[in-house]
Amino acid sequence: DVKVTQSSRYLVKRTGEKVFLECVQDMDHENMFWYRQDPGLGLRLIYFSYDVKMKEKGDIPEGYSVSREKKERFSLILESASTNQTSMYLCASITGYNEQFFGPGTRLTVL
Amino acid sequence: GENVEQHPSTLSVQEGDSAVIKCTYSDSASNYFPWYKQELGKRPQLIIDIRSNVGEKKDQRIAVTLNKTAKHFSLHITETQPEDSAVYFCAAEMASSGSARQLTFGSGTQLTVLP
Repeated sequence: DVKVTQSSRYLVKRTGEKVFLECVQDMDHENMFWYRQDPGLGLRLIYFSYDVKMKEKGDIPEGYSVSREKKERFSLILESASTNQTSMYLCASITGYNEQFFGPGTRLTVL
Repeated sequence: GENVEQHPSTLSVQEGDSAVIKCTYSDSASNYFPWYKQELGKRPQLIIDIRSNVGEKKDQRIAVTLNKTAKHFSLHITETQPEDSAVYFCAAEMASSGSARQLTFGSGTQLTVLP
């Protein structure tokens, strides 16, 4: 059974803090993605990775970085959290058929 | 890059009626168009998809149509039920994404089925 997990469902951080969001998949998928979801804006791609240590910027990478040291784990890093990064963050990995499986999401609030 | 527009942003229908959600895309080379359903508090899940070599695909009460010439595709839900209430997202695969297969999503449609 497909499984994508994220380290936290809810997270509250303060402005300026460094924030790590973790995503793990157990399906041996090569492609992994980080999105943020905001009302009226849909799902916007932040970064994606197609292999270990490989990463590419998505549509809104500013203020974020990523790490992919192992195939199953893709981390999103907010170097210095700001209030406009308050959002729902969704991780996904992709099957060979191109179906994206999403994690449950992390609702991040930056105060 | 690819740009996907989705309409309407909200849609209310009576139970048993049909619902139609429409999307347009900009990259004529895009060749894969999935639809995702996200229930309140849950993750998006794939409900149906279509590839550019097919004009229509149906799965029970849901169907998707694709017009490559006009660059638009639509989701049709017939005999709607209260459990169809959710946010629906369309997406298009960017054909020029290099090593990774990358989707661009529409802004979502909140469908409410009224009992």
